[in-house]
Amino acid sequence: AQKVTQAQTEISVVEKEDVTLDCVYETRDTTYYLFWYKQPPSGELVFLIRRNSFDEQNEISGRYSWNFQKSTSSFNFTITASQVVDSAVYFCALSEASDSNYQLIWGAGTKLIIKP
Amino acid sequence: EAQVTQNPRYLITVTGKKLTVTCSQNMNHEYMSWYRQDPGLGLRQIYYSMNVEVTDKGDVPEGYKVSRKEKRNFPLILESPSPNQTSLYFCASSLSVGTAVNYGYTFGSGTRLTVV
Repeated sequence: AQKVTQAQTEISVVEKEDVTLDCVYETRDTTYYLFWYKQPPSGELVFLIRRNSFDEQNEISGRYSWNFQKSTSSFNFTITASQVVDSAVYFCALSEASDSNYQLIWGAGTKLIIKP
Repeated sequence: EAQVTQNPRYLITVTGKKLTVTCSQNMNHEYMSWYRQDPGLGLRQIYYSMNVEVTDKGDVPEGYKVSRKEKRNFPLILESPSPNQTSLYFCASSLSVGTAVNYGYTFGSGTRLTVV
């Protein structure tokens, strides 16, 4: 069965430190999609990135970068030079082309605390 | 502005008192879905709808009902709420089931429900 594991429940770092959030997924599909969302204290879900299973290129967007490795079934998220505004809960999610519910399978989330 | 609108944002109710959380989207999306978010569990799908008059159960449908009489609206109904339905609820929509899998959803801002 499909599954997403975010083993880090909570991470606390001091501002300007780099931090990596881990995401490990399980799927039997060859076609699938991976997502990261940010949930700030206000509660809404903010889309960060989408990656399909055929594209293993790493992605960089400003201070954010993502490392997708099919060999280890991981899709890790790194924030460089963290800022207090990065404090939020971050979710990794998976969708599969064969899923009859067309749903996203979510990890439990990692709460990131950036201290000034 | 293209959006998914949920109401109310916050709701405190008593056990057994029927309630409805409304969800409306203005993007002419076919696919709509409800998720609940609980600590340590991420988001889990309650119900989904592929189009008008077509609804189906997600992973945690017990205690909930939905309807899809119009394309834009997808209300979530709790006929007899119980404390274990205290949660953060999200409505989501996507242009089609294909885009739901490939690109994820547009999410509403969430409804925080407390049942006492």
